[in-house]
Amino acid sequence: SQTIHQWPATLVQPVGSPLSLECTVEGTSNPNLYWYRQAAGRGLQLLFYSVGIGQISSEVPQNLSASRPQDRQFILSSKKLLLSDSGFYLCAWSVGHDYEQYFGPGTRLTVT
Amino acid sequence: TQLLEQSPQFLSIQEGENLTVYCNSSSVFSSLQWYRQEPGEGPVLLVTVVTGGEVKKLKRLTFQFGDARKDSSLHITAAQPGDTGLYLCGNPGGKLIFGQGTELSVKP
Repeated sequence: SQTIHQWPATLVQPVGSPLSLECTVEGTSNPNLYWYRQAAGRGLQLLFYSVGIGQISSEVPQNLSASRPQDRQFILSSKKLLLSDSGFYLCAWSVGHDYEQYFGPGTRLTVT
Repeated sequence: TQLLEQSPQFLSIQEGENLTVYCNSSSVFSSLQWYRQEPGEGPVLLVTVVTGGEVKKLKRLTFQFGDARKDSSLHITAAQPGDTGLYLCGNPGGKLIFGQGTELSVKP
């Protein structure tokens, strides 16, 4: 069966510090991978999606970046965090044409 | 960009009541998905509707896709506290776009 992991689960970082959130998927090959941010428990904002290694599409211009160094690994990064980067970050994967997405447990990021 | 509008944004009801939440767009979708999210967790897919006019039932939940495939509704019968959560609609495709969600609270 497929599983998706995210870490860390929670993170408190000062403004201006770097960020690295990791997401890995097990049990599937060549998944589509996604990073979302959710503020205040409301709708999800798509940040990045990837259809393959090294292929990243950015949906929202900001100080975040994403990389996919391996087929089932997706990393969200920032060189300098802003207060507005606080939120709940969710990684998701999908395969095939039905695009049903499976979400990870999320990372709660608080920038202080 | 296809936009999805959900209503109401917040809904607080008593156990046993019925409710309906809506997902609307000005665009036509080939299919539409409903997810439920509990606090501190990722959304979980409830259903995908693909045919205009389609009705799908999942226990006490009834999902309907509009004939024109521009809107969808979720009806819950005899709501229970376990139904509490954020209900999101999304249009599947290369990148899943979500509505802002309906936050449902069912009080015992």
